[in-house]
Amino acid sequence: DGGITQSPKYLFRKEGQNVTLSCEQNLNHDAMYWYRQDPGQGLRLIYYSQIVNDFQKGDIAEGYSVSREKKESFPLTVTSAQKNPTAFYLCASSISSGTGSPGANVLTFGAGSRLTVL
Amino acid sequence: AQSVTQLGSHVSVSEGALVLLRCNYSSSVPPYLFWYVQYPNQGLQLLLKYTSAATLVKGINGFEAEFKKSETSFHLTKPSAHMSDAAEYFCAVSDRGYGNKLVFGAGTILRVKS
Repeated sequence: DGGITQSPKYLFRKEGQNVTLSCEQNLNHDAMYWYRQDPGQGLRLIYYSQIVNDFQKGDIAEGYSVSREKKESFPLTVTSAQKNPTAFYLCASSISSGTGSPGANVLTFGAGSRLTVL
Repeated sequence: AQSVTQLGSHVSVSEGALVLLRCNYSSSVPPYLFWYVQYPNQGLQLLLKYTSAATLVKGINGFEAEFKKSETSFHLTKPSAHMSDAAEYFCAVSDRGYGNKLVFGAGTILRVKS
């Protein structure tokens, strides 16, 4: 079945360490997204990519980095510059089928990765 | 910029009672609107979406939502709550057009009492 795989599901990190969260999709979607979820704050967009080798900052990009070398993969690195990295991270993808297509705005989500800084 | 407000961070209903989760958006033109559900420690799943045409949208698991332009609202309802409906629900909005980003509300946790 097609879907999005995030790994690891749980991750512990010491302060000052960089960590990379994996996101792989086999839906043939062009666009991919990373969201951060904190209790009571909903989902906030970190980075998104609408095509391979291109990505844009979201609302809270500071302290994070991404790459999009393959259509299927969109890894997120949480760097030591992120002051409060403990959170639940969600990867999502969507089709890109042209102007005005509502399908381009429908997100499919992975199961998430929970990062805890010790 | 688009924004969405969900009234009530927690809603509690009895099993079999009506479920009403409120969502208001800010936009100068009718946007696309979505409701997603999240079960503990899982990703989000699409319940329903409003993109055009019919203002009453039916989704999965017996949920529906009505787009009211005059009230800038997109409230989610279900006639009879089931224990399995206990989850967190997110309203989201995006501008019309290709690849526009979704903006999510803060979420409403639904508790269903037996």
